[in-house]
Amino acid sequence: QSALTQPASVSGSPGQSITISCTGTSSDIGGHNYVSWYQQHPGKAPKLLIYEVTIRPSGVSNRFSGSKSGNTASLTISGLQSEDEADYYCNSYTSNNTPYVFGTGTRVTVL
Amino acid sequence: QVQLVQSGAEVKKPGASVKVSCKASTGYFLHWVRQAPGQGLEWLGWIHTSNGGTRYGQKFQGRVTMTRDTSISAAYMELSSLTSDDTAMYYCATEYQRGLDHWGQGTLVTVSS
Repeated sequence: QSALTQPASVSGSPGQSITISCTGTSSDIGGHNYVSWYQQHPGKAPKLLIYEVTIRPSGVSNRFSGSKSGNTASLTISGLQSEDEADYYCNSYTSNNTPYVFGTGTRVTVL
Repeated sequence: QVQLVQSGAEVKKPGASVKVSCKASTGYFLHWVRQAPGQGLEWLGWIHTSNGGTRYGQKFQGRVTMTRDTSISAAYMELSSLTSDDTAMYYCATEYQRGLDHWGQGTLVTVSS
């Protein structure tokens, strides 16, 4: 099972919106509505931002939103802030022998 | 608030095994995820903390064993036949609706001769 494909880096200025893509196949993203997104600051454990494609856990800012179209999921960060500078990972449930797969990760830089 | 507390860092020689613990209550799926230095996240498997059912990633089949001890509210991940490629931070995390909502602090496993 190969990792889901994410851009290595995305950048934006404070206040702007950015979108991170996560591309898989019909066996994972395209076949299930179990896509989740994680934010990881250096030296810290990942934090759940989105689950089931679009749902934010309690306490997560509404500046984070998720969506899916076909085999590609997306995370949008609106009103970019300096504290959003971190690594972001997508994850999907799959129909393959390995039931969960992470994305390759995206480094977000706030200019 | 769920808190997951993991065991301390380990240094192992190639070919050895390592067993990492995660203090957690019962009644849910507990996942194990690792992250090699400077690399991305990699899913190892899960264990159901009540019935002990497990599911492992294909890459780790035959080399990983996940267990739990309900009497002390602990879960364990044992990885055998270690190589330098297994040097990583290992995390346990609880699942909610197929998302990993609470994470342990991580356990650094270093494999070095």
